[in-house]
Amino acid sequence: GENVEQHPSTLSVQEGDSAVIKCTYSDSASNYFPWYKQELGKRPQLIIDIRSNVGEKKDQRIAVTLNKTAKHFSLHITETQPEDSAVYFCAAAPGDNFNKFYFGSGTKLNVKP
Amino acid sequence: EAGVAQSPRYKIIEKRQSVAFWCNPISGHATLYWYQQILGQGPKLLIQFQNNGVVDDSQLPKDRFSAERLKGVDSTLKIQPAKLEDSAVYLCASSFTQGLTSYNEQFFGPGTRLTVL
Repeated sequence: GENVEQHPSTLSVQEGDSAVIKCTYSDSASNYFPWYKQELGKRPQLIIDIRSNVGEKKDQRIAVTLNKTAKHFSLHITETQPEDSAVYFCAAAPGDNFNKFYFGSGTKLNVKP
Repeated sequence: EAGVAQSPRYKIIEKRQSVAFWCNPISGHATLYWYQQILGQGPKLLIQFQNNGVVDDSQLPKDRFSAERLKGVDSTLKIQPAKLEDSAVYLCASSFTQGLTSYNEQFFGPGTRLTVL
């Protein structure tokens, strides 16, 4: 099955700085890559996703980039705010089941005011 | 709209005991998922239902875990007998997905935190 690795496991930034979280995947057939945010004690929520036919996608302060050749994708958060503090999970879904998510191990982002 | 509901929210049992979790998905969502989230890890898909049929259960430890979605709505996940390593949060999610190759957001429930002593 698919194997998704996520780095770093923890990330601490100053408010206003940018944060980058990186993921790699093993199955070249994977073609859907969502990112979920999980605040402490709460349920995961989708923040952005990207499909394999797109190299980059932006939504306000959040962007995701995908390099299919290298099999890696990244989440970029600009102008970080304290409310961005949470655990972020990347995931990959195989080409025969776009809803079978393989999640990374998570990145705990701490934005210091 | 109402979100995904799960119960109980917390459960503490002794090893070798049995436990069951219940999930009610968002109305109209055909696909339901059960995930296991061990502390410090990402969610791991255990089973995926589309309506009342199983789409994928390749990561479900079938010797002790079972799940059903008899009428294509609510679902139950059971562990019998429980082991210490089953301590985790069990998340239920649902999506509108009508096919395996359609993209749809998965909406998660609040989870059930299971502690096995």
